Amino acid sequence: GIQVEQSPPDLILQEGANSTLRCNFSDSVNNLQWFHQNPWGQLINLFYIPSGTKQNGRLSATTVATERYSLLYISSSQTTDSGVYFCAVLGGGGNKLTFGTGTQLKVEL
Amino acid sequence: DTAVSQTPKYLVTQMGNDKSIKCEQNLGHDTMYWYKQDSKKFLKIMFSYNNKELIINETVPNRFSPKSPDKAHLNLHINSLELGDSAVYFCASSQQLAIGIEQYFGPGTRLTVT
Repeated sequence: GIQVEQSPPDLILQEGANSTLRCNFSDSVNNLQWFHQNPWGQLINLFYIPSGTKQNGRLSATTVATERYSLLYISSSQTTDSGVYFCAVLGGGGNKLTFGTGTQLKVEL
Repeated sequence: DTAVSQTPKYLVTQMGNDKSIKCEQNLGHDTMYWYKQDSKKFLKIMFSYNNKELIINETVPNRFSPKSPDKAHLNLHINSLELGDSAVYFCASSQQLAIGIEQYFGPGTRLTVT
């Protein structure tokens, strides 16, 4: 099946810093989503981005499908950005989302 | 106006018991899913239903039985609970069973088996 790798696995930032999270996948995809799992366990849809670039406030994402990666940018990070960021892809001819192992982000004052 | 809801939010039970988790979506979607998140936060699909028909069954023990009474509901029944079933279970839905369709997740049910 399709493999999804995320980096870095852990990240600690000072409030106000910027960061880039990466998602690599092993096959062509038809769907790529970024999620934020907050400290209370809720999975929040951030982006649906099988290709191209999208922006939502301080967050933006870019997927380069031909090179099999996606990037999530967080600018001017805040403590409420803490949590785990997952990318998930649907591809390889299947109908199921395959999740990466996540990036655990902690934003400190 | 919750899109995907699950009950209960927390469930603590003893080994050997049988329990159910309920999921409802009010998005008018055709397809619903169950995912399991283990203690290392790894998320993996368990089942997928499209218009009340089972589409995906990812090598899940047959102690787990999903039931879809209608398009808007997908319940998960677990028999003879084991310690290893402790996890967070997420329900999700998408407009249809097609490639390239965004999935929406419920708030999760944290199951603890003692």
